[in-house]
Amino acid sequence: GAGVSQSPRYKVAKRGQDVALRCDPISGHVSLFWYQQALGQGPEFLTYFQNEAQLDKSGLPSDRFFAERPEGSVSTLKIQRTQQEDSAVYLCASSPLQGSTEAFFGQGTRLTVV
Amino acid sequence: SQQGEEDPQALSIQEGENATMNCSYKTSINNLQWYRQNSGRGLVHLILIRSNEREKHSGRLRVTLDTSKKSSSLLITASRAADTASYFCATVSTSGTYKYIFGTGTRLKVLA
Repeated sequence: GAGVSQSPRYKVAKRGQDVALRCDPISGHVSLFWYQQALGQGPEFLTYFQNEAQLDKSGLPSDRFFAERPEGSVSTLKIQRTQQEDSAVYLCASSPLQGSTEAFFGQGTRLTVV
Repeated sequence: SQQGEEDPQALSIQEGENATMNCSYKTSINNLQWYRQNSGRGLVHLILIRSNEREKHSGRLRVTLDTSKKSSSLLITASRAADTASYFCATVSTSGTYKYIFGTGTRLKVLA
């Protein structure tokens, strides 16, 4: 595709509900990242994939957060039993190499937990 | 837990003036990048400077890097109203995985 695509763009979830956020990276990009951005803050790293391997998940805030990239392309970030503090914009980025080049970001998914 | 700190947090200037933003970081880096984010949108890459470079130019952008002080600056010359956005520095460490660690950002407002 032309760029990184994320869906849905907006998601409203009731507290306790499970949500799944999708990321379609640029075709052929090896690296895929998920970030969480609170209002007025910089993006906070959540997790990193190199192809299908999840090499770093140190930023996932709790075991309610789970990410996968089973075939090394599309990735899904799942949040179980959502809580109000999970409200944020979730950004996905991809890059062709391991950090030596720029990252290409999607438009993000704005999650609001009510 | 973010690595970078940027200052100022907010900057308001008149169109045509120059805007300077600073970024400090904590660990050894492979490279440092600057990104722009318009309200409600994703981040757009502006420029990358490697750890062995001291200065880089791209159009109206000038970036400097001082690895001894662990700091970088972004200069936007002859600013335009369209430059109004948040600007973030991001570092890629020399150790661990190649994740991008972002700073807190500078919110720039250019008044027409």
